[in-house]
Amino acid sequence: QVQLQESGPGLVKPSQTLSVTCSVSGVSVITDDYFWTWIRQFPGEGLQWIGYIYFSGYTYYTPSNPSLKTRLVMSVDSSRNQFSLRLNSMTDADTAVYFCARGRNSGSSRGVDHWGQGNLVTVSS
Amino acid sequence: DVVMTQSPLSLSVTLGQPASISCRSSQSLVDADGNTYLNWFHQRPGQSPRRLLYTISTRDSGVPDRFSGSGSGTLFTLKLSGVESEDVGVYYCMQGSHWPYTFGQGTKLEIK
Repeated sequence: QVQLQESGPGLVKPSQTLSVTCSVSGVSVITDDYFWTWIRQFPGEGLQWIGYIYFSGYTYYTPSNPSLKTRLVMSVDSSRNQFSLRLNSMTDADTAVYFCARGRNSGSSRGVDHWGQGNLVTVSS
Repeated sequence: DVVMTQSPLSLSVTLGQPASISCRSSQSLVDADGNTYLNWFHQRPGQSPRRLLYTISTRDSGVPDRFSGSGSGTLFTLKLSGVESEDVGVYYCMQGSHWPYTFGQGTKLEIK
């Protein structure tokens, strides 16, 4: 079955860069039918889209959060069946659980169907 | 962005009793293809969200039939026919009709 698992640091210092990788099993990241996405959850709060990427390299950044776009790089590594997020200039406001997930933009099941378990990232000196 | 508003924000239900959560969108979720892309998720404490329903009312694989969805346009409802202990946690609606997809703020369900 489809499984996703994040791997990344638990603690990042302010101004440093966060790197989180999502390992995918049970399905190939090489697909035009699904996108690979990052969603974060602030402590005790709801869910916020960060952006998504297709295997082709097409990326989408949430327009309502322009500050993220200038700091964010997403990539797909088909040789390792992984995709990654890099977020630079981290601040306290970026403390959150970072989820990777799979989603669809077409078909009746449009939305997000599989999630990783989440990677808690705390920004602190 | 489409704003998704859930109510109530918390719910306390006796085991075996029904529960209902509403989700309202700030604009119609009817897509140009005629479908309405409304997902419901359940997040247990300390876990990642799990999708329950898509396209308003279609259950994902393995989701018990006590979960059902209804609605149209801008107003949607998630119903549990009889709450079980494993149903505790937070429920989120999410619209997939307009980019960026957006989530409701969540409804916390606990057992009375």
